[in-house]
Amino acid sequence: GAGVSQSPRYKVAKRGQDVALRCDPISGHVSLFWYQQALGQGPEFLTYFQNEAQLDKSGLPSDRFFAERPEGSVSTLKIQRTQQEDSAVYLCASSPNEGLGTEAFFGQGTRLTVV
Amino acid sequence: DAKTTQPPSMDCAEGRAANLPCNHSTISGNEYVYWYRQIHSQGPQYIIHGLKNNETNEMASLIITEDRKSSTLILPHATLRDTAVYYCIVRVAINSGYALNFGKGTSLLVTP
Repeated sequence: GAGVSQSPRYKVAKRGQDVALRCDPISGHVSLFWYQQALGQGPEFLTYFQNEAQLDKSGLPSDRFFAERPEGSVSTLKIQRTQQEDSAVYLCASSPNEGLGTEAFFGQGTRLTVV
Repeated sequence: DAKTTQPPSMDCAEGRAANLPCNHSTISGNEYVYWYRQIHSQGPQYIIHGLKNNETNEMASLIITEDRKSSTLILPHATLRDTAVYYCIVRVAINSGYALNFGKGTSLLVTP
């Protein structure tokens, strides 16, 4: 497809369960970002990849959160031992340039609910 | 990092201009102002950006004050489909790139 694709669109996890969220960026895009959006809040930065290199992970809230982009294309955000406060929409964005700016495209997000 | 302040909500009648204000009094000389919007259940969408000159594109106009401490996004003829949360953002440098810190935005409701 032409846009950023995220799967699944919705995920319900029991507390303590591990989850993996997938992002397919636009083909050829260098930069890939993950954001977390809690209900009623704006998106908050989690981590940034330039090709396969994870250049910034300062926004990851704990060591239960892990992201990878091994071949510089598809990325996976993994959350281990999920907790209720992890419930949020997780957004992925990609850009052909270094960093996020005018040509950034966001996916529709994955809504994670931890019960 | 420069922070932005926006009103939490605004209303606008369909067909009228929507003027969305933003304060960014701590912005530094080389930081850009970006505007994105987020329609319910969708990812954020880029609208416009600027440094110090006013900018216009097919979606909106951006007016930046001379001291760059505030800006206004103008949707010249608002439609019902413009109902969304509008984010005023100062782009920040991160390790080897840039990121966008969104804040809470302004929820714009366009009414018939």
